[in-house]
Amino acid sequence: AQKVTQAQTEISVVEKEDVTLDCVYETRDTTYYLFWYKQPPSGELVFLIRRNSFDEQNEISGRYSWNFQKSTSSFNFTITASQVVDSAVYFCALSERGAGSYQLTFGKGTKLSVIP
Amino acid sequence: NAGVMQNPRHLVRRRGQEARLRCSPMKGHSHVYWYRQLPEEGLKFMVYLQKENIIDESGMPKERFSAEFPKEGPSILRIQQVVRGDSAAYFCASSPSGDTDTQYFGPGTRLTVL
Repeated sequence: AQKVTQAQTEISVVEKEDVTLDCVYETRDTTYYLFWYKQPPSGELVFLIRRNSFDEQNEISGRYSWNFQKSTSSFNFTITASQVVDSAVYFCALSERGAGSYQLTFGKGTKLSVIP
Repeated sequence: NAGVMQNPRHLVRRRGQEARLRCSPMKGHSHVYWYRQLPEEGLKFMVYLQKENIIDESGMPKERFSAEFPKEGPSILRIQQVVRGDSAAYFCASSPSGDTDTQYFGPGTRLTVL
């Protein structure tokens, strides 16, 4: 069965600090996708990134970067020079391809508070 | 392009009433997913539908809950005889196809059962 663990429940940082959100996953499939979503205080879920299991290249998008390591089953998310607008709950999610259903399994989320 | 639309955004029901939650997928998307977010449990998959078909309902409670995605119109998540434990945020997501596509979420419906 697939599982996603976000060990950090809450993190507080001061504005302009860098912060890394951890995500560890478990799956028996060789083909799977990993995602990060952001849930700001307004409540909607915003897609940030998708990675497939065959692509371990790290990715950078502005102040956001992602580090995917299959050897440790981790898909960590770093925000550089954090801003108050980054305050949100961040969810890591996994989707297996073997079962024929593309449901997302979410971690419990990490609540990030960026203090001005 | 309009995103995934959900209505109502907030819904209040008394115990025993029915709740109907609607989801209109993004244009061009024919796959719909429903998730529930409970305070202590996080986001959990409920059901996956394509037009006129339920593909996977493994996350749906066995009783009182049903979902449909008709040929015309929005997807509906229906909860009969609501109980306080049904109070949660219900999110709908859509994708163009099921396989490799990202699921894009709607703003959610916050259901409160009094």
